Order: sequence, then C-alpha cells, then structure tokens
Amino acid sequence: DGGITQSPKYLFRKEGQNVTLSCEQNLNHDAMYWYRQDPGQGLRLIYYSQIVNDFQKGDIAEGYSVSREKKESFPLTVTSAQKNPTAFYLCASSIAPYSNQPQHFGDGTRLSIL
Amino acid sequence: AQKITQTQPGMFVQEKEAVTLDCTYDTSDQSYGLFWYKQPSSGEMIFLIYQGSYDEQNATEGRYSLNFQKARKSANLVISASQLGDSAMYFCAMREGTGGFKTIFGAGTRLFVKA
Repeated sequence: DGGITQSPKYLFRKEGQNVTLSCEQNLNHDAMYWYRQDPGQGLRLIYYSQIVNDFQKGDIAEGYSVSREKKESFPLTVTSAQKNPTAFYLCASSIAPYSNQPQHFGDGTRLSIL
Repeated sequence: AQKITQTQPGMFVQEKEAVTLDCTYDTSDQSYGLFWYKQPSSGEMIFLIYQGSYDEQNATEGRYSLNFQKARKSANLVISASQLGDSAMYFCAMREGTGGFKTIFGAGTRLFVKA
C-alpha cells in the first residue's frame, strides 16, 4: 500500500538540541515537501525538493535543514537555531512538476520543547 | 504574488444540509491549479478535489463540488448532504503552473456538523 510515513508521531526537544524528523515515501514521487503548521493556521513551506540531491528553501527555512540523498527519503532537521520549534510538521510528496497533481501527505509529527 | 484567502474561520451546518466554504485567490499566472484538502482532528491532510484554471466545467467528486468563478478569482467548496464525519478543518490551496512546485495554502475553515 503506497503512502508517506512520518516518524516519530511525537517528539520532544531539549534546549540547544538538534532533532531529525523522518519522512519516507513509496509512491515513486519526484517532489517532496516539508510544511510547518501552527495551531489554528494554515501550512507554511519550509523546504522542498524536486529531485535527488537538490532542494530549495521555502518561506520559513531559517533554523531548519534537509537532505535528499534518496528519492524515497527527505528528513528534516530542526536545529538549535530554530527558537520556536513547537509545531505540527507535515511531509508531502507529489508527481513533479505538473500543477494538476495533488500533494500526498503523511500523518505528521508533533514537536514540543521540554 | 500568490495569495489564498479563506474568510470563514468557522462554520456550522446541520447534518444532511449543504454548506459552502469560501476561497478567493490572487495570481498573475494564466495557468494554475486549485485544490481543497480536509484535515480531521487526527492531523493528516486528505485531498478532496482539484480545479484547473483552464477547466470549463466545475469539478465534482462525490459529495464535493467546486464552484469556480474565474473572473472573480473564487473557488468555493460545496459539500452536499453533510455528515458528522465532515467535521474538520478545510484548506484551499493553489499551485501556479509556471512556478511548478510551490503550493500555497489558505488559513483554513473549521466546519462543525450538528446532529
């Protein structure tokens, strides 16, 4: 059954610590995305990747980093430079680059500060 | 610049009635796609319906239809025969054809279906 798997479902970060959120897809999609969602708000784009070994900053990339070493995987690292990381993080993928294709989303990771 | 506006933070509808969720957009592109997603309280985003800027017919998917008025730059979602399971957040989104990848989302509308 094809889809996107995000792990962990819940994550806690200590001050000064980097944490990595996992995102794996088996849909054979070229494009992958990371979004941040704050309570009662829409999604804001952090990073996106069109192909392996290539990625671009979205609207709120500061304090985050990504890698795309494999087509299936697009992990997001929340660094200590991100001063307000508490949010719900959603990973998505889509067939690229066609505008009529919807994004498929994972179930999300909720990140909180300890 | 691209922009999506959803002016209804919350909506109530009686079970079995129809409801319209508003969405207006702004773009300078001629080619773009409009999407609606549903987000239940569990958090996952579920794709509902798509409308292309060149599509002449309004899109329909089961109980969902999209009232597309290109000149007004509006893409309202109509849910017919509301069910209790329709209670969720609903997001309107747009992707510009020439830009390729970037999709922007509105702030969402929370729908409450009353029994």
